[in-house]
Formats: sequence, C-alpha cells, structure tokens
Amino acid sequence: TQLLEQSPQFLSIQEGENLTVYCNSSSVFSSLQWYRQEPGEGPVLLVTVVTGGEVKKLKRLTFQFGDARKDSSLHITAAQPGDTGLYLCAGNGSSNTGKLIFGQGTTLQVKP
Amino acid sequence: NAGVTQTPKFRILKIGQSMTLQCAQDMNHNYMYWYRQDPGMGLKLIYYSVGAGITDKGEVPNGYNVSRSTTEDFPLRLELAAPSQTSVYFCASSRRALTDTGELFFGEGSRLTVL
Repeated sequence: TQLLEQSPQFLSIQEGENLTVYCNSSSVFSSLQWYRQEPGEGPVLLVTVVTGGEVKKLKRLTFQFGDARKDSSLHITAAQPGDTGLYLCAGNGSSNTGKLIFGQGTTLQVKP
Repeated sequence: NAGVTQTPKFRILKIGQSMTLQCAQDMNHNYMYWYRQDPGMGLKLIYYSVGAGITDKGEVPNGYNVSRSTTEDFPLRLELAAPSQTSVYFCASSRRALTDTGELFFGEGSRLTVL
C-alpha cells in the first residue's frame, strides 16, 4: 500500500516567517499535487508536479518534487495570515490507476 | 458556474438510519469521486465513476453505495448508518483522468454525524 506522510502535522508561526512542509513516501509517484483547504470548504489545487527534481513557484510558495519522485516539499516565504489553512499533498501512484493517495495534511496557522 | 454542489451541508443520523448525500456538477466532467475526511487522516476514496453508468470501489467502500445515471449527478447512499461513518464527505469531479494529472474540483463538503 502506498502511503504519503506529511510533516509537520501542525505548524503555528508569526506573520513574516518562512516555513517548509514535507510530504514523504517510500513509493514512487508518477505525479504529485498540493491542495489547500480552508475551514468549511473543499480542497483547492495549488500545483501539480510531474518530473523528478521539478521546482514550481506560485508567488511566495515554492514546490519541489524529489529527484526519485518519492517526496515533495512546499516552502512558503514570508507567511501571511491568508496562508492559514490545511495543506494536503496527493500522489498518483506508480501504477497510475488514477486514484489519488492523500497525505494526512498539515494544519498551518499564521498569526498576525 | 456553480462547480460541484453538495447537499445537505449538515446532517445528524441515528444508528441504523439511511440517507443519500447528493452531488451535482455543471462542468460536464466525466470523472466524479466521493471522499471522506477524518481528522488527521487526510482524504480516503469511497467510490468513483469514470462516466454515466460506470462506478467502481475506492479504498473504503463498505457501508456505502453509489449510482451514476447522468453525467451531472453522483449520489452517495449510506445504508444502516453506523457511528464509524461520522465524517465529512466530499464530492469531487475532474475533466481529465487523474492518470493525466487531472485537477480535482471539490464541493464544500457534507458533515455527517451518526449518534
């Protein structure tokens, strides 16, 4: 069974700080997605990474897919209160069945 | 466009009762999914559908049933509700197959409590 482990599970920081969230597995994924979920809403896609070693930037958010396609990271620079939410990574397994496997999520709180 | 619409948003059931969670999308997506989200557990796939008339089981299908008679609608039926089915349920759709790195569009969720 393919699993995705996210760390940390909870993160509370002050506005302006930097942070990194990790998404790790012992299995290879053909692609990996990051979603953000706000309270009372469904997750919203932030980015999809496909190629090992790929780096994508979305304003202050930087996403990286590991060279071996087993892990990914999300780095936020100068966090703002609007970044508060649940961050979920989701992987498309190497068997490419089309069934996304979700990590357990990282809850981020950015205090003003 | 409304996107993915789920009803009801909240529901309390007694053990043994049955109910249907409704899901409709207006994006003409072929692929639709039902997930449940439990605290600290991420999202688990219950059932999915690749088109009208075609459904398949996900990771945690026991206690649930689905049907897909139209492209737009994908209701989830809970038979004989149990406390273990207390969760937040999300319906999602995608234009492309997830094998093609398709994006999931989620509804706002339905919070179900079984007492």
